[in-house]
Amino acid sequence: QITLKESGPTLVKPTQTLTLTCTCTGVSLTTSGVGVGWIRQPPGKALEWLALIYWDDDKRYSPSLKSRLSITKDTSKNQVVLTMTNVDPVDTATYYCAVRTSGGSFYPYWGQGTLVTVSS
Amino acid sequence: DIVMTQSPDSLAVSLGERATINCKSTQSVLYNSDSKNYLAWYQQKPGQPPKLLIYWASTRESGVPDRFSGSGSGTDFTLTISSLQAEDVAVYYCHQYYSTPSSFGQGTKVEIK
Repeated sequence: QITLKESGPTLVKPTQTLTLTCTCTGVSLTTSGVGVGWIRQPPGKALEWLALIYWDDDKRYSPSLKSRLSITKDTSKNQVVLTMTNVDPVDTATYYCAVRTSGGSFYPYWGQGTLVTVSS
Repeated sequence: DIVMTQSPDSLAVSLGERATINCKSTQSVLYNSDSKNYLAWYQQKPGQPPKLLIYWASTRESGVPDRFSGSGSGTDFTLTISSLQAEDVAVYYCHQYYSTPSSFGQGTKVEIK
């Protein structure tokens, strides 16, 4: 059974750096075809795809946020870390990590999400 | 970037009736080399993460009731709930994974009439 859990701060001040961790169980981040993505959802709004890291360490970013995002993985801990610099109140959202296991980058497995509020 | 537009934004359907949600992409998401449409559908209930219903435009995820079906190709897609049940009240999103950045539709809220 694949489970994901997001962790990180619930409140961040504007201009600070946000670091979120996705801890994965039931799946190895080095298995061919596996990828972990980050998707966010502002309160009451739609889903927005942010980034994806593949088993082979290939990375993809949303072009609109690429300059502020970094995605890495720690295979020893089976974790994926998303870093977002220079946060703004518009970055307030629930942040989800999700796993793709093979074929296309659709997401059968999601974490419960973590709400991050950006406010001074 | 591929933009996904869903219609309608919301709909109210009587229990047991059909619900139809449309999704249109600004570019084709049909990959010619494998003849697959890189399009998925998710269901999201309040306070929950999205749940995958359909991928490759028409393949139902394991465990998803067969009243959910997906169709379409290229740039036009449809999610159909053949007989709406009370537990189907949710927001539904289409998602293209054909190209980076991956993108979602704005969502369609389905309610009971």
